[in-house]
Amino acid sequence: QVQLQESGPRLVKPSQTLSLTCTVSGGSISSGDYYWSWIRQPPGKGLEWIGYIYYSGTTFYNPSLKSRVTISVDTSKNQFSLKLSSVTAADTAVYYCARAGVYYDSSGYYYVGVWFDPWGQGTLVTVSS
Amino acid sequence: QSALTQPPSASGSPGQSVTISCTGTSSDVGGYNYVSWYQRHPGKAPKLMIYEVNRRPSGVPDRFSGSKSGNTASLTVSGLQAEDEADYYCSSYAGSNSVLFGGGTKLTVL
Repeated sequence: QVQLQESGPRLVKPSQTLSLTCTVSGGSISSGDYYWSWIRQPPGKGLEWIGYIYYSGTTFYNPSLKSRVTISVDTSKNQFSLKLSSVTAADTAVYYCARAGVYYDSSGYYYVGVWFDPWGQGTLVTVSS
Repeated sequence: QSALTQPPSASGSPGQSVTISCTGTSSDVGGYNYVSWYQRHPGKAPKLMIYEVNRRPSGVPDRFSGSKSGNTASLTVSGLQAEDEADYYCSSYAGSNSVLFGGGTKLTVL
């Protein structure tokens, strides 16, 4: 079955860029049936959707983070990545990658993020000097 | 966009039923039938338990059920078992290919 694993630095200095990669195994990121997403959870808070990407490069971002977020995909490595710039302590969180379900209606419109499955184990990234 | 509202905690004894609510607005929970629920045990990856309000993925016990009324969705766990003790999160499609999550509910099996 499909499995996801996050990797990247666990400690980032304030004002720098947080970079994480999610490696997908057991299935192809280019299958075209799903989007691939990043979700985070700050300590003591709820989950927050960051954004997702299609294998072709189409992206959707959380409006509250859009100015600082870039999600990219490398189909040759079956990976997708997150970059979050100008980080502060408020960006300290467990970062998850997950596969996002898509629903297509009869008129051709599509809805991304109707569910998330599976998820990676998550990685805690701390922003501190 | 504000996070969906969940009670911080819920509890029940083994064998009992417990319901966790998830309240949003007409722009998210009330506007679409794309509510999903996730279970997360400490140190583990979140697991999809319910999608499209009331559908269960293969392998999820039928003790877990979902429903929605207006802007509030609910997850009911029947016949509580010790292994059900975990954090539960709801999410909803919120338009323009965006998603909102709830703050999470810690379910304790007494």
